[in-house]
Amino acid sequence: DAKTTQPTSMDCAEGRAANLPCNHSTISGNEYVYWYRQIHSQGPQYIIHGLKNNETNEMASLIITEDRKSSTLILPHATLRDTAVYYCIVRSYNNNDMRFGAGTRLTVKP
Amino acid sequence: NAGVTQTPKFRILKIGQSMTLQCTQDMNHNYMYWYRQDPGMGLKLIYYSVGAGITDKGEVPNGYNVSRSTTEDFPLRLELAAPSQTSVYFCASSYLTGELFFGEGSRLTVL
Repeated sequence: DAKTTQPTSMDCAEGRAANLPCNHSTISGNEYVYWYRQIHSQGPQYIIHGLKNNETNEMASLIITEDRKSSTLILPHATLRDTAVYYCIVRSYNNNDMRFGAGTRLTVKP
Repeated sequence: NAGVTQTPKFRILKIGQSMTLQCTQDMNHNYMYWYRQDPGMGLKLIYYSVGAGITDKGEVPNGYNVSRSTTEDFPLRLELAAPSQTSVYFCASSYLTGELFFGEGSRLTVL
């Protein structure tokens, strides 16, 4: 009963923008979209989250479609250190069951 | 700030032994979580807690127990260790908004 669908892997050239897609066609009105990443074997790291408006912080931008059925995480200038597995998760604030799927393995190449 | 601290970082157990993985956080978060991650796989939720005295099962609770007597601590107990429990275990905590803070992980091998 996966709530999100992500590509298994993607490549990106160093210095270019990395655009990671996520489909969440069954998202409910009170569910947020969260993005995390896991570098090598470290604990996952929070990146960004949003409800329906586009969001930007110092790490990334999150673009959510108007119908909220999909979103894209954008790393504007990817570096080698951005090579990681990126997880897209949908959940509501009152749902404490935070589950991670398989994610997208992003490889940034020189 | 120490954040989320897990101990031990590495442990080898024999089949049938028991042990407790410790997790403590100093951010006064109400929500705490235990995940396991098998090699090459995503994270699976074992148990979570929304506050002291309250715990609930996640996706893969069998073979594990938890307790939450204080806001800071959320230990994970493995009873009768089995090779299938060889994994990396991550503890995390969060405030209401869902931004999880993870520990560095505990690598457990059951032989």
